[in-house]
Amino acid sequence: EAQVTQNPRYLITVTGKKLTVTCSQNMNHEYMSWYRQDPGLGLRQIYYSMNVEVTDKGDVPEGYKVSRKEKRNFPLILESPSPNQTSLYFCASRSAGTDTQYFGPGTRLTVL
Amino acid sequence: KQEVTQIPAALSVPEGENLVLNCSFTDSAIYNLQWFRQDPGKGLTSLLLIQSSQREQTSGRLNASLDKSSGRSTLYIAASQPGDSATYLCAVPQTGANNLFFGTGTRLTVIP
Repeated sequence: EAQVTQNPRYLITVTGKKLTVTCSQNMNHEYMSWYRQDPGLGLRQIYYSMNVEVTDKGDVPEGYKVSRKEKRNFPLILESPSPNQTSLYFCASRSAGTDTQYFGPGTRLTVL
Repeated sequence: KQEVTQIPAALSVPEGENLVLNCSFTDSAIYNLQWFRQDPGKGLTSLLLIQSSQREQTSGRLNASLDKSSGRSTLYIAASQPGDSATYLCAVPQTGANNLFFGTGTRLTVIP
């Protein structure tokens, strides 16, 4: 089944404790992105990647890092999480030849 | 910067009604518009994608229209069902489609 998977789905952590949210797609898509969704603000892009080893900032990259060492994986790294990073995070992917994006199920992160 | 607005924020209708969801955007220089559905605890599912050269797109009971010049799109749902209850989001791409600008969504409840 074609899908985008994220892990973990739910995470509660404390300020300053490094964490990684994994994202994997099995559709051989070139483009991958991370979004965060907050009430009243909608979804905003954090980082995106056009292919292996090619990444760039989105609208709200501060406090986040990403890497794209393999085509299928695009982990989101929070080196020192803060409470304002409490949010619902989505990973998305799409093929270079189409405009339709496929989203993962989301990761709900709470930083205390 | 593109701004996407969806009104109303929430809508409740009895089962069987036809309904229209609205989406407006400030920059008409778009090359497509997507409608997504978001279910609680799940990711976003792409419903329809309208290219800028198209006026409308249909999938089953769903029909989406696009009027670029006025900066508006509508999603028409015919003969609504309780299973249609979800949040509906519209999104337009930034140049290169590496970023999508999302509206904050309309939460639809279809009452049996």
